[in-house]
Amino acid sequence: AQTVTQSQPEMSVQEAETVTLSCTYDTSESNYYLFWYKQPPSRQMILVIRQEAYKQQNATENRFSVNFQKAAKSFSLKISDSQLGDTAMYFCAFRNRDDKIIFGKGTRLHILP
Amino acid sequence: ETGVTQSPTHLIKTRGQQVTLRCSSQSGHNTVSWYQQALGQGPQFIFQYYREEENGRGNFPPRFSGLQFPNYSSELNVNALELDDSALYLCASSEFTGEQETQYFGPGTRLLVL
Repeated sequence: AQTVTQSQPEMSVQEAETVTLSCTYDTSESNYYLFWYKQPPSRQMILVIRQEAYKQQNATENRFSVNFQKAAKSFSLKISDSQLGDTAMYFCAFRNRDDKIIFGKGTRLHILP
Repeated sequence: ETGVTQSPTHLIKTRGQQVTLRCSSQSGHNTVSWYQQALGQGPQFIFQYYREEENGRGNFPPRFSGLQFPNYSSELNVNALELDDSALYLCASSEFTGEQETQYFGPGTRLLVL
């Protein structure tokens, strides 16, 4: 079975600091997609960043970057220069070849002023 | 904003009743997926519709059913509601073109079953 594990239920960091959210996954597939989604208190899930498994280069989107270690099945999210608006639940997700998304349980991130 | 809307935003039902939740996808998106998100949990895949046909289903009983319409809208129907059905229900739309595409989520419908 394909699973996604986020080992940090909750984290707090000061504004402007850098924070890293961890994610591991389990799959026997070789080609897949990984995502980080952000769910602010308003609830709407927003895509933060995506990574294609066949690409070795780590994806980056402005202040957000990932560390993708395929052999270790690890996919961590780094947020640089964190801002108050980054406060949200963050979900790591895996998308299999059947186009289904499997989510982790999430990490609640608090950015403190 | 993702361009995906859901209605209603909140709903209260009693056990045994039936409920219909609605989703309006982004224009041109031919695929819609529904997820159940229990409190404090990640979303769980219910099913997906592609061009008005069911295209995969998660571990949910048959009392969870859906429809997709040609105008990019869709419905999630739940019969014989149980207390454990209380959750946030999310729909996500995407355009399937033979390659994996990004899913865009709606704001969700919060269902409370008493």
